Amino acid sequence: EAQVTQNPRYLITVTGKKLTVTCSQNMNHEYMSWYRQDPGLGLRQIYYSMNVEVTDKGDVPEGYKVSRKEKRNFPLILESPSPNQTSLYFCASSLISNQPQHFGDGTRLSIL
Amino acid sequence: AQTVTQSQPEMSVQEAETVTLSCTYDTSENNYYLFWYKQPPSRQMILVIRQEAYKQQNATENRFSVNFQKAAKSFSLKISDSQLGDTAMYFCAFVSGAGSYQLTFGKGTKLSVIP
Repeated sequence: EAQVTQNPRYLITVTGKKLTVTCSQNMNHEYMSWYRQDPGLGLRQIYYSMNVEVTDKGDVPEGYKVSRKEKRNFPLILESPSPNQTSLYFCASSLISNQPQHFGDGTRLSIL
Repeated sequence: AQTVTQSQPEMSVQEAETVTLSCTYDTSENNYYLFWYKQPPSRQMILVIRQEAYKQQNATENRFSVNFQKAAKSFSLKISDSQLGDTAMYFCAFVSGAGSYQLTFGKGTKLSVIP
């Protein structure tokens, strides 16, 4: 089954404790992306990747890191999480950027 | 940077009626792509429809159709014969056809279908 898998689905953690949200796709897509969704703000792109070892900043990259060492994986790293990063996060992939995105089920992150 | 504006934070429609959700965008490019995504209460993101800017014909997908006005930079979504399952957040999104690969989403419209 074609899918984008994010883990964990839910996480409650504390300020400053490094965390990683994993994202994996099995469709051989070149384009992968991370978004955060906040009430009243819609989805905002954090980082995106056009292919292996090629990443670029979206609208809200501050406080986040990404890497794309393999085509299928695109982890999101919060080196020192802060409460303003409490949000719903989505990973998505597509064959290329102008094709429809396949979204993961989302990760609800709460940082206390 | 491109911007996408959805001016209706919330809307409601009676079951079986027709509703139109508005979306406008700002870009200086000529080649780009537009999308509507649906997010039901399950929070999954589901593609509704895709439009290529170089195609004059409006995209349709069953009960969903768009009114794409390139000169006005408008991309509205029409839902015909509304069903209870259409209750969801709807997001309009833009991506450039060349150069930037960044996707920009609007803030969303919450649609409620009333029985």
